[in-house]
Amino acid sequence: QQQVKQSPQSLIVQKGGISIINCAYENTAFDYFPWYQQFPGKGPALLIAIRPDVSEKKEGRFTISFNKSAKQFSLHIMDSQPGDSATYFCAASPSGYALNFGKGTSLLVTP
Amino acid sequence: GAVVSQHPSWVICKSGTSVKIECRSLDFQATTMFWYRQFPKQSLMLMATSNEGSKATYEQGVEKDKFLINHASLTLSTLTVTSAHPEDSSFYICSARDPAREQYFGPGTRLTVT
Repeated sequence: QQQVKQSPQSLIVQKGGISIINCAYENTAFDYFPWYQQFPGKGPALLIAIRPDVSEKKEGRFTISFNKSAKQFSLHIMDSQPGDSATYFCAASPSGYALNFGKGTSLLVTP
Repeated sequence: GAVVSQHPSWVICKSGTSVKIECRSLDFQATTMFWYRQFPKQSLMLMATSNEGSKATYEQGVEKDKFLINHASLTLSTLTVTSAHPEDSSFYICSARDPAREQYFGPGTRLTVT
């Protein structure tokens, strides 16, 4: 059973646009919500993570928005660049435990 | 961020042989490491949780006698695929949990069994 649901499966955005990827979860024990970026043939790289005590976290062009009551969180990539083209995974877990991953979103940023 | 390495990055072996994959946390001590498996264009699936000095905890459906995990030190965990078969061909990725409970992934190991 997929514990974290991610959408969309694929996304095409023009350079300079905003990429938005959404995730939803059911398990209220989850309190750690990271986003990973993965290029083909590479391991996932931690982009940004949030915990439920805040509703938003920003690092550079990447922002996580978190809605605890709706059990949803999203990744916004501002000013998207062709180099951002990759697969993005959301994940969730109780802090320190193994991550439950979404199915991934393949992002293509066109020049 | 913290650095996790894996060795080898790519390995080809014959069916029936065993392969060992190492996962190292380079700049922090990791009492817990995780092993994942990823098939092409799919998400990561947790195989097992490795705790330093104790037996690994395997996910349902993962054969513990086939995928041997050893976490002998605070910076090293190993995964040994025993009697490998072509269906074991996959991308194996480890992650290590730092003291702040963030998880950092290694670069992955591509295993091809012929």
